[in-house]
Formats: sequence, C-alpha cells, structure tokens
Amino acid sequence: DAKTTQPNSMESNEEEPVHLPCNHSTISGTDYIHWYRQLPSQGPEYVIHGLTSNVNNRMASLAIAEDRKSSTLILHRATLRDAAVYYCILRQIYITQGGSEKLVFGKGMKLTVNP
Amino acid sequence: KAGVTQTPRYLIKTRGQQVTLSCSPISGHRSVSWYQQTPGQGLQFLFEYFSETQRNKGNFPGRFSGRQFSNSRSEMNVSTLELGDSALYLCASSLDLLYNEQFFGPGTRLTVL
Repeated sequence: DAKTTQPNSMESNEEEPVHLPCNHSTISGTDYIHWYRQLPSQGPEYVIHGLTSNVNNRMASLAIAEDRKSSTLILHRATLRDAAVYYCILRQIYITQGGSEKLVFGKGMKLTVNP
Repeated sequence: KAGVTQTPRYLIKTRGQQVTLSCSPISGHRSVSWYQQTPGQGLQFLFEYFSETQRNKGNFPGRFSGRQFSNSRSEMNVSTLELGDSALYLCASSLDLLYNEQFFGPGTRLTVL
C-alpha cells in the first residue's frame, strides 16, 4: 500500500494560519488524498479531500502539489478546538466488482494550538 | 440525526476467548468500514461492507471476521484472542459506496489479558 509521511507534531498560535504538510511519494493515479482529524477520546472526523486540484471548504483548504507527491492542509485561523491529531490519508478506490475502497492512514501528526 | 454508535464501549477479555463488537451506522447509511487503532500501528483498515457483502479487506488474519445485516448494522468478531488484539476498534459509516466522507463512531476499547 502507498503510504503517507507527516511530521510527528506541530505547534501553532491561536488565530494564526497553520500549514500541515504531508508526503505521499508513492501515490497512484487513482488515489484520493483525504484528511481526517481525531480529538481525544473520539473517532476521526473528516476534514477535506482532493484528487488533483486545490480544494476549499468551511473547515480548511487543501493544496496539492502538481506531481501529487505531497499536499498541505491549511487551517486559516487556528482555534483551540483545532488541537487534534491530523491524519493525511490515501483513499484507494477499487472499481472492479461494483466498487470498494479503503483508507490507508499514516501515523498522524499532533497539532498543539497555543492561546 | 444520531451518529454512529458502537457497543460495548469497553470490553475486557482473556487470551483465547472470542469477542463480538457491534456497530449501528447513521440512519440511511449503507456502507460500513472497520478499523483497528493501536499506539504502535496507528489506524489500520480491517474491512468494508455494503449491502451485506464484504467489499474489501485489510491485511489481518482470518481470526478477524465481520458481517453486515439487512438494516446496515454490522458486527465484527475476533476469535482466539491474543494480547496484541488489544486496541480501539472503530466503525465508520458512509451514505453509499464510494461516498467521500466516512463518519466514525467513538470506538470499542478492547483489552485482552
């Protein structure tokens, strides 16, 4: 399985932008890049996803490199509630037999937000 | 709308026993996936179910099995428990096959003694 690599941890200050990097040099052409985050004692929560183009939603932006070997999750104004473990994930799609998928999680990166 | 529910939330078993974990997806969701989370290995995909059929499977031994019922509820079973099976088992549901977003439950914490 293709894998993702993230820093173990990052710190940011409240109300400042934060850029969370991810490397996925072995990504295949059909893999989607997804980001989830996990707060303590909770299951992961979807943040954003993309395939080739940059994406924006109400939570964050996702910048994908032209060669798709890396991506960056951007939180425009970090809040204390954004402190979590962020997972950069490759979503592998299998089209045969009606379709199936699996999420391949990396180790995750702990984001600390300082007040 | 209620989220994904998993029962039980905590479970203690001994080596050699078997265990069954239950997952109720969000109402209307038809796809269910299972993941194992451990400090050493992180989150690992176990299986994906849709329309009562296993669509995909991760790299786990045959002791790990699952099923999905006609109401989309799912169960996973681990037989002949080993110490290394101690983990948080997470269930995620999504609206349909290949839907972009998965919604995770709080997990079942399994401890094997």
